[in-house]
Amino acid sequence: EVQLVESGGGLVQPGRSMKLSCAASGFTFSNYGMAWVRQAPTKGLEWVATISYDGSSTYYRDSVKGRFTISRDNAKSTLYLQMNSLRSEDTATYYCTRPGWYWGQGVMVTVSS
Amino acid sequence: EIVLTQSPTTMTASPGEKVTITCRASSSVSYMHWYQQKPGASPKPWIYETSKLASGVPDRFSGSGSGTSYSLTINNMEAEDAATYYCQQWNYPWTFGGGTKLELK
Repeated sequence: EVQLVESGGGLVQPGRSMKLSCAASGFTFSNYGMAWVRQAPTKGLEWVATISYDGSSTYYRDSVKGRFTISRDNAKSTLYLQMNSLRSEDTATYYCTRPGWYWGQGVMVTVSS
Repeated sequence: EIVLTQSPTTMTASPGEKVTITCRASSSVSYMHWYQQKPGASPKPWIYETSKLASGVPDRFSGSGSGTSYSLTINNMEAEDAATYYCQQWNYPWTFGGGTKLELK
């Protein structure tokens, strides 16, 4: 059974940093590209970033370029999202996804003073 | 960026009714993916490559479309179908439609 389990969310002040993790199991993690998708409270889905199966290619939405970094450790079957210079508009539930198919339960990130 | 516009944004349907949700893209896309999301839950893949049903999706659902116009149809609405549905396209930057909230009348 495929499982994606996010961790690392919480309350953070504007301008500070936070790192999300996603532990994957039930499939060969190193064979798949992975992504982060977020959902602000009561809002729709918004793609954040994607990383290729081997980490050699990354893609970001414009609003997070230069602030967020997606990475992976295939030996640990873990996906990461390093978020710097956080803004109030980054407040959302962040989902780890195997694009198109599997989603984690999500982790809430609240950016507020 | 390809903008996806879903309509309607909200709707109600009675059991047994036919429901159609549309997703219009600002530029042509090769195919569309659809998700179902219920309150407090993660999105579930629902329809992929425009018209293929994900595992476990009832066959009263169907998907169609091409180019800039896509749709999700439910024949014979059931109570369990009440949810929010999102379309998604796969050209970078990946984008989602704003969602269609389907409620049971």
